[in-house]
Amino acid sequence: KAGVTQTPRYLIKTRGQQVTLSCSPISGHRSVSWYQQTPGQGLQFLFEYFSETQRNKGNFPGRFSGRQFSNSRSEMNVSTLELGDSALYLCASSPGQTSYEQYFGPGTRLTVT
Amino acid sequence: SQQGEEDPQALSIQEGENATMNCSYKTSINNLQWYRQNSGRGLVHLILIRSNEREKHSGRLRVTLDTSKKSSSLLITASRAADTASYFCATIYNFNKFYFGSGTKLNVKP
Repeated sequence: KAGVTQTPRYLIKTRGQQVTLSCSPISGHRSVSWYQQTPGQGLQFLFEYFSETQRNKGNFPGRFSGRQFSNSRSEMNVSTLELGDSALYLCASSPGQTSYEQYFGPGTRLTVT
Repeated sequence: SQQGEEDPQALSIQEGENATMNCSYKTSINNLQWYRQNSGRGLVHLILIRSNEREKHSGRLRVTLDTSKKSSSLLITASRAADTASYFCATIYNFNKFYFGSGTKLNVKP
């Protein structure tokens, strides 16, 4: 099976802009989670989608949003970008049942200038 | 915070030696998992231990879980240069809500 794919891999945006990141999970996986990784804060959970519904949410401001489509592909959006949003954004998929291991994509490196 | 905390933050050993990393967490969990990350890439799942298990093995990996102390340890035996990476414990709540610790950066010198 193909692994988790994320597009784009690298992105440079200007403060105040918005950005959309995409994630395609492993075929058959219904759960997609998003994480933000920075040197200072480490790996932080953003949200999880399961069957097009947000099932879990982390402690991020409303500028961070996501959605999941019927084919399980997911997007996350960050509006009004701030310098502190510069990070590696990781997507992970899992079959969707209780607490299975997660399969991570390579990440999208977002730089906000 | 429900996040796990790894200890030590960094570890440097010689090839062939064993490496031990510890993880502590704060509240009851469904299970605990360990992941490896190579230099800013995606994480790779290593091993899962359920809350009713005390020890688990996978190849050169041995994980223990002590729910009374809310702690876990990961032992890598006979380490190799290819084991150089950051290692994270993840505690899982609410079915699929993952909290990752701050990680241990392991350097295995050839």
